[in-house]
Amino acid sequence: KNEVEQSPQNLTAQEGEFITINCSYSVGISALHWLQQHPGGGIVSLFMLSSGKKKHGRLIATINIQEKHSSLHITASHPRDSAVYICAVKGGGADGLTFGKGTHLIIQP
Amino acid sequence: GAGVSQSPSNKVTEKGKDVELRCDPISGHTALYWYRQSLGQGLEFLIYFQGNSAPDKSGLPSDRFSAERTGGSVSTLTIQRTQQEDSAVYLCASSIWDGDSPLHFGNGTRLTVT
Repeated sequence: KNEVEQSPQNLTAQEGEFITINCSYSVGISALHWLQQHPGGGIVSLFMLSSGKKKHGRLIATINIQEKHSSLHITASHPRDSAVYICAVKGGGADGLTFGKGTHLIIQP
Repeated sequence: GAGVSQSPSNKVTEKGKDVELRCDPISGHTALYWYRQSLGQGLEFLIYFQGNSAPDKSGLPSDRFSAERTGGSVSTLTIQRTQQEDSAVYLCASSIWDGDSPLHFGNGTRLTVT
């Protein structure tokens, strides 16, 4: 069973700061997902990664398969980025998803 | 439809009753996941369907929980003899195939067991 650890659990930053959220997992995977959940809102898939790096707007996600580690970066952070960010990994074959506990991000104006 | 649809959006039931929650994935998506989120808690994987393969049931918390996926499309999650600790938001997600394809999430069913 994969163990997924996220850090930090909570992060408060000022608008404009560069944000990094980390995710580590214990067993080889076929894909890693970064998800976003706003307070009282649904879950949105931000990225799906199996290698390398992806960028959408101010969001960047990287994964290092050898180190079993992924990072989510937010550049020029904005209060609307305040949300819970969740890392989820999928093992091979018929395995389901394993979720991290999430990182609660607050961006203050 | 345009996205993953779940019904009902809210369900209040008495302890001991059975409930059925429905998920309509995006047409053509072969992978379907059920998970739940209890108040103040993280996401908890429940069950995963992939095409015609045997589902991964490793996340189901007890034998009161079961799920079916008929015809590779609609899925129903059934909770028998509901308990108060079953209260949570039950979420469904689908993806076009196994492994490295994006997940699409439904808005969830909020289950309250009184």
